Amino acid sequence: NAGVTQTPKFQVLKTGQSMTLQCAQDMNHNSMYWYRQDPGMGLRLIYYSASEGTTDKGEVPNGYNVSRLNKREFSLRLESAAPSQTSVYFCASSEAAANYGYTFGSGTRLTVV
Amino acid sequence: GQQLNQSPQSMFIQEGEDVSMNCTSSSIFNTWLWYKQDPGEGPVLLIALYKAGELTSNGRLTAQFGITRKDSFLNISASIPSDVGIYFCAGHSNYQLIWGAGTKLIIKP
Repeated sequence: NAGVTQTPKFQVLKTGQSMTLQCAQDMNHNSMYWYRQDPGMGLRLIYYSASEGTTDKGEVPNGYNVSRLNKREFSLRLESAAPSQTSVYFCASSEAAANYGYTFGSGTRLTVV
Repeated sequence: GQQLNQSPQSMFIQEGEDVSMNCTSSSIFNTWLWYKQDPGEGPVLLIALYKAGELTSNGRLTAQFGITRKDSFLNISASIPSDVGIYFCAGHSNYQLIWGAGTKLIIKP
């Protein structure tokens, strides 16, 4: 019972480098989300995909791009990493955008130096 | 944007004590949710509240959706060591979840 799988678990980038965070879910959920979590703050939504083929900006989309590759996979790309993007990134999924039972992955801890 | 004020930020309690934490907002929410996050893991849903005034229990956990729809509280009775972690409230509005900053629960040895 994998649920939501995120890779990698840890990553260190130099300023200006690019990378893609991968997320896959095996629960046949329609909606997927990318959040970032910073110390002392709640989770902040970066982008979400209400259904396959659609993506929308969340609260903090600047510096990020996403791709809903298929129903299972939703990737997050940093084109030119900045130290301000040092954070823990969580992917989540739910049956539908209005469904509140989000299932989260274990997170990717990203450090940009 | 919308914000949730969650308090306290952290709690140091003895095993067996009851715990209470709350969230308030300047905005009305249609749904209140309580999540728990263990170290190195993503949040896990504990309780979902869908109606103003609703009181819902999940084992030793009890949560209430405030009558004004702008607040919610979570109580944990007779705390045990596995209750340690960070508890988050979240309010649902316009197909997005707005999160509190979390309450870190620490049990004194």
